[in-house]
Amino acid sequence: DQQVKQNSPSLSVQEGRISILNCDYTNSMFDYFLWYKKYPAEGPTFLISISSIKDKNEDGRFTVFLNKSAKHLSLHIVPSQPGDSAVYFCAVPEAGGTSYGKLTFGQGTILTVHP
Amino acid sequence: EAGVAQSPRYKIIEKRQSVAFWCNPISGHATLYWYQQILGQGPKLLIQFQNNGVVDDSQLPKDRFSAERLKGVDSTLKIQPAKLEDSAVYLCASSKTGGTVTYNEQFFGPGTRLTVL
Repeated sequence: DQQVKQNSPSLSVQEGRISILNCDYTNSMFDYFLWYKKYPAEGPTFLISISSIKDKNEDGRFTVFLNKSAKHLSLHIVPSQPGDSAVYFCAVPEAGGTSYGKLTFGQGTILTVHP
Repeated sequence: EAGVAQSPRYKIIEKRQSVAFWCNPISGHATLYWYQQILGQGPKLLIQFQNNGVVDDSQLPKDRFSAERLKGVDSTLKIQPAKLEDSAVYLCASSKTGGTVTYNEQFFGPGTRLTVL
């Protein structure tokens, strides 16, 4: 049973336009959400996060929106640049004890930004 | 600050052979993770260490996979014998271990791409 789902395997956008990547989750107890970016032959790198007490977090061109009632989060990239072309994963850290541990990842969305 | 180091970067073996991967986490990071990423899927945790103790190995196929973290620093992941379905990228990550209820960012190495023929 997949707790974190990214239903769009790929997304193609034009440079300068908005990219919207979506993620759905099943467990309403999740209280922290992350987006990671992965280039080929590299490990994932942390991009942006959001706590469940917020509905929006912005960092430069990247904004993450959280809709708790729908158990849905989205990552907006504005404006999109060719260097943003990568695989984007949403992920949830599992809470245990006094700190958070393993990450549960979605399947990933391949973003291609065309010049 | 040096990142997470992994070696080798690529490995091709025949099925039923054995293979080992090595990871050196970021200095001072107490928690170390091994993830398996099969093509088209997100990374999946195999094992989590805190210092040299195992925190979670519930998803590790223990009949063929083993991992150790001697002295709480470097770690090795071994597969013996390998199967075709073990073809994947094996990612090592490390993080600080917080004493409060907070998320500690995981830093990933470049991964080892394993192909089993």
